[in-house]
Amino acid sequence: DTAVSQTPKYLVTQMGNDKSIKCEQNLGHDTMYWYKQDSKKFLKIMFSYNNKELIINETVPNRFSPKSPDKAHLNLHINSLELGDSAVYFCATSRGGSISYEQYFGPGTRLTVT
Amino acid sequence: DQQVKQNSPSLSVQEGRISILNCDYTNSMFDYFLWYKKYPAEGPTFLISISSIKDKNEDGRFTVFLNKSAKHLSLHIVPSQPGDSAVYFCAASLLNRDDKIIFGKGTRLHILP
Repeated sequence: DTAVSQTPKYLVTQMGNDKSIKCEQNLGHDTMYWYKQDSKKFLKIMFSYNNKELIINETVPNRFSPKSPDKAHLNLHINSLELGDSAVYFCATSRGGSISYEQYFGPGTRLTVT
Repeated sequence: DQQVKQNSPSLSVQEGRISILNCDYTNSMFDYFLWYKKYPAEGPTFLISISSIKDKNEDGRFTVFLNKSAKHLSLHIVPSQPGDSAVYFCAASLLNRDDKIIFGKGTRLHILP
C-alpha cells in the first residue's frame, strides 16, 4: 500500500502547455512538499504546505502553483511550460510541521518539456 | 552557491567493510542535518538525522558524525551490505524554517561483492 503516490510517473509535453502533477498520501500527515531535482541532480524544495499555511520558496516562478483540494492531496500546476522546467518532481510529506522531520517521498514524476 | 557539498560523486566499497560518506556545509546557521537514501526510480527515503547539539547519532549499522567547527558531517555504514548500493543525499536545515532545507548532489555508493 503506497504511502505517497504521484501521477503521472512520466510526462512529456511541449513548451507553452499547462500541466498538472498529482500527489496523494495515505499517512495522515499534515505537511506536504514539492521538490524539484534538476539535471545537475540538485534536489531543491519548492513549496511546503500544511493545513494552515502555504510557504512558497522565493526562487520558484509564479507559473508554478500548488493546490490542495484536501489534506491528502497536494497537486502541482505548471503554466506556460518552459524547457528549463524539465526535471524530476518529488512530492513528500512529514508528520510534523517542521521540514526537519523525517519526510516520506513519492516515487517522482519525470517531466520532459520539448 | 552550494551550501551543502558532497564532493565524491561515487564511492565503491567491498561488502562487509565500512562505507564513509562525507558532506560539507558552508552555512554555520544550519542546526539540523539529515541523510536520505535513494534507489533508482524511487523517491529518497529518510535514513538518519542529527541535531547540531550532538556530535554523533547511531542507528543500527548507520552512524552520523557531526563536526561543527569543520562544518563537516559523515555517514558511516558498517558492515556494508549489497542493499546499501544507492545514492545518498546529505541535507541541512534550519529548524522551523520550512523553506530552508538544502540538499547535496548525492554520492552514489556501490557495494562490491
